[in-house]
Amino acid sequence: DAGITQSPRHKVTETGTPVTLRCHQTENHRYMYWYRQDPGHGLRLIHYSYGVKDTDKGEVSDGYSVSRSKTEDFLLTLESATSSQTSVYFCAISDGFGDQPQHFGDGTRLSIL
Amino acid sequence: AQSVTQLDSQVPVFEEAPVELRCNYSSSVSVYLFWYVQYPNQGLQLLLKYLSGSTLVESINGFEAEFNKSQTSFHLRKPSVHISDTAEYFCAVSSNNRKLIWGLGTSLAVNP
Repeated sequence: DAGITQSPRHKVTETGTPVTLRCHQTENHRYMYWYRQDPGHGLRLIHYSYGVKDTDKGEVSDGYSVSRSKTEDFLLTLESATSSQTSVYFCAISDGFGDQPQHFGDGTRLSIL
Repeated sequence: AQSVTQLDSQVPVFEEAPVELRCNYSSSVSVYLFWYVQYPNQGLQLLLKYLSGSTLVESINGFEAEFNKSQTSFHLRKPSVHISDTAEYFCAVSSNNRKLIWGLGTSLAVNP
């Protein structure tokens, strides 16, 4: 299995608080992604990174920011959490952009009350 | 815009029966195609991929998918399913080396 670690695995927090999720990889892959998974919506891309300090928005980026200061770490921050951001968040990595498969972490279940 | 359609949101099937999970995409250019499987409370795992070459691709656990360019389809099949195949299956497509586009998933329920 690809070496991808997401932390925390579960988190419960309150509306309005900042939240940071971490994705750590040991594969030295160039590309990293953050998705959210919700019933009826499948997987939706939040942000992705194509190198250190190089990031771009996905289809549901509002309310989220990311940072990648090292190849192995990709952070997702909810600046002021809202109940609509309750979801399961997945990190993925890949060696190429569209021509290589993505490998996924085990997910973070985030509940915002 | 490119899109991926998984034609069945749920597929119930009895153990040892054959199954087909359908995936259609909208693209007329060269594509890369993927099937992923997600077991309960886990992340997605790559099941199989088509990048080039033979249009029939196989996985190690008995699934296969066929790339049909004329019908823009990449249906997933297994001749005899097991209880352990119960999971969510996702089809994903990339064209012109752009971002992956995901289907909404098909929930396969294998009953004894």
